[in-house]
Amino acid sequence: AQSVTQLGSHVSVSEGALVLLRCNYSSSVPPYLFWYVQYPNQGLQLLLKYTSAATLVKGINGFEAEFKKSETSFHLTKPSAHMSDAAEYFCAVPEGGYQKVTFGTGTKLQVIP
Amino acid sequence: DTGVSQDPRHKITKRGQNVTFRCDPISEHNRLYWYRQTLGQGPEFLTYFQNEAQLEKSRLLSDRFSAERPKGSFSTLEIQRTEQGDSAMYLCASSQGLAGRTDTQYFGPGTRLTVL
Repeated sequence: AQSVTQLGSHVSVSEGALVLLRCNYSSSVPPYLFWYVQYPNQGLQLLLKYTSAATLVKGINGFEAEFKKSETSFHLTKPSAHMSDAAEYFCAVPEGGYQKVTFGTGTKLQVIP
Repeated sequence: DTGVSQDPRHKITKRGQNVTFRCDPISEHNRLYWYRQTLGQGPEFLTYFQNEAQLEKSRLLSDRFSAERPKGSFSTLEIQRTEQGDSAMYLCASSQGLAGRTDTQYFGPGTRLTVL
């Protein structure tokens, strides 16, 4: 079954620093990959979606992710962190049928002033 | 577009009681999903509907859990004889789906269940 692994349950960066959140998918190349963000006491919001049309995917709020088949990775980056980026970030992949989506365990991003 | 709404936002119940949660999807969306999220974990898929048909159920959905979407609009998730292990955030999502692709799912704010 397809799955994703997120390395680092907590990541701290200084305001203005590069944000790098890691996600690796298992074995076979998935048709889709997602990054979602969850702010405290809120539901999940889609940041970006990989659909195999392009390996570099740009999302909302200045985030982007690059699909690398050789590394089975889909890491999320942002050049300059803002305080408002503090949240939990989830990588996700369809499992089996297209509608069952499996989420990673999440990475909490802390932005230090 | 008012987004996905869930009611109630918080529910505290005693072990053994039944609880029911409601989800109202985005109006034109034909697919509706339920997830469970426990502390420190990502959401876990429970079940999904296409219109009124329940098309897939996770093994996590024991016989104490039942979900319905009677008219293909709102959905309810009922948990009978609640256990402390049922304490979690229950998330609902909806999408406008086409066959053979993974839709973008739009999530509601969740219902936080605490079983005492």
